[in-house]
Amino acid sequence: QFHLVESGGGVVQPGRSLRLSCAASEFTFSNYIMHWVRQAPGKGLEWVTVISSDGSDKFYSDSVKGRFTISRDNSKNTLFLQMNSLKPEDTAVYYCATGDYKGWGQGTLVIVSS
Amino acid sequence: DVVMTQSPLSLPVTLGQPASISCRSSESLVYSDGNTYLNWLQQRPGQSPRRLIYKVSNRDSGVPDRFSGSGSGTNFTLKISRVEAEDAAVYYCMQGTHWWTFGQGTKVEI
Repeated sequence: QFHLVESGGGVVQPGRSLRLSCAASEFTFSNYIMHWVRQAPGKGLEWVTVISSDGSDKFYSDSVKGRFTISRDNSKNTLFLQMNSLKPEDTAVYYCATGDYKGWGQGTLVIVSS
Repeated sequence: DVVMTQSPLSLPVTLGQPASISCRSSESLVYSDGNTYLNWLQQRPGQSPRRLIYKVSNRDSGVPDRFSGSGSGTNFTLKISRVEAEDAAVYYCMQGTHWWTFGQGTKVEI
């Protein structure tokens, strides 16, 4: 149940963009609200953004508002996070999680550095 | 934003002994539907978080019954009745009543 696989992380320079994906399987993806949560190295968990099950509603933390965009493709069971104008403080492991936080992916590491 | 404050942040424990983690929220976590959206997560070293407890006291499937959650309003507790080696991890409380926020984490060291 709740198989989630993130991809798309890597090393990127400040000010550049990156797009993360989260492939979902073993559950009915289109029925679930989905989150992105991040964890800076050696730090705790930080909620980033959430999207409703049909993609019509999206909410962001103040730290990423205006720079990050969450989206989903229910036909492909995939969640996305478009990250623009990246800053060094965005360096973290990014996890996708189901709305009830029952399902978590393994995370993908984003490093923002020149 | 609702602030979640955990204590202690580090908890040395002895195998077979009980352990307890406190979590306090800056506002009541009772939602308009009557539910209290307070979860406990476990993150073992090098792993993703795992939900242990949802809505204060409901244990997820596969979670040993030595884990229990309790509390109400703004004060919550996670208890491990008899610590086992596999319980070495960081434990987070998190709330989903007023958007979503996490506690700082409590590192349980055996």
